[in-house]
Amino acid sequence: DAGVTQSPTHLIKTRGQQVTLRCSPKSGHDTVSWYQQALGQGPQFIFQYYEEEERQRGNFPDRFSGHQFPNYSSELNVNALLLGDSALYLCASSLGSGGPLGEQYFGPGTRLTVT
Amino acid sequence: AQSVAQPEDQVNVAEGNPLTVKCTYSVSGNPYLFWYVQYPNRGLQFLLKYITGDNLVKGSYGFEAEFNKSQTSFHLKKPSALVSDSALYFCAVRGPYILTGGGNKLTFGTGTQLKVEL
Repeated sequence: DAGVTQSPTHLIKTRGQQVTLRCSPKSGHDTVSWYQQALGQGPQFIFQYYEEEERQRGNFPDRFSGHQFPNYSSELNVNALLLGDSALYLCASSLGSGGPLGEQYFGPGTRLTVT
Repeated sequence: AQSVAQPEDQVNVAEGNPLTVKCTYSVSGNPYLFWYVQYPNRGLQFLLKYITGDNLVKGSYGFEAEFNKSQTSFHLKKPSALVSDSALYFCAVRGPYILTGGGNKLTFGTGTQLKVEL
């Protein structure tokens, strides 16, 4: 049973550039959430996709956008990168967007460094 | 708004001794509560959850957690700590479905580093 996978593992970008991170959910899951974990902090919710639509959004600027594909995989896009965007980006998948079945399983993360 | 507090940045315990990692929460309505563990350079691994029912929840690797509604706490416990339990532990809360607008956003605490020594 494949778990949540993310690519790439590590990424180095320059300020002002754009980046795309990818996530494949656990087999059987249809909901994908993205979190940002800055060094020494807990994960912060960015947004959640279900049925190819953004269902919930955290307190992140419009520079952060996403997409979910018909096969439930998802992308996180960040435009105009800032030094403060350097973090571990975690993808989590779940079955359904709410209720007890909505338990989330996390991928290993993508470490983004902005220089 | 929902929030989680983990008052201890680090907990040190000797192997074989019981351990407790503290967590308090704030949320409207009945909460869904979770504990996750993170090893260096890894994602989060699910340990256990409280949805409803018994206040004592048992999870993976011998961990358990006690839900206390009056104290709004959900402390993680283990009767006998192992060196391999050393890791970063996160408590998280999710509001009830009807109040989250159909989403299951998790709000995490800042984490507690557990160090188990021989």
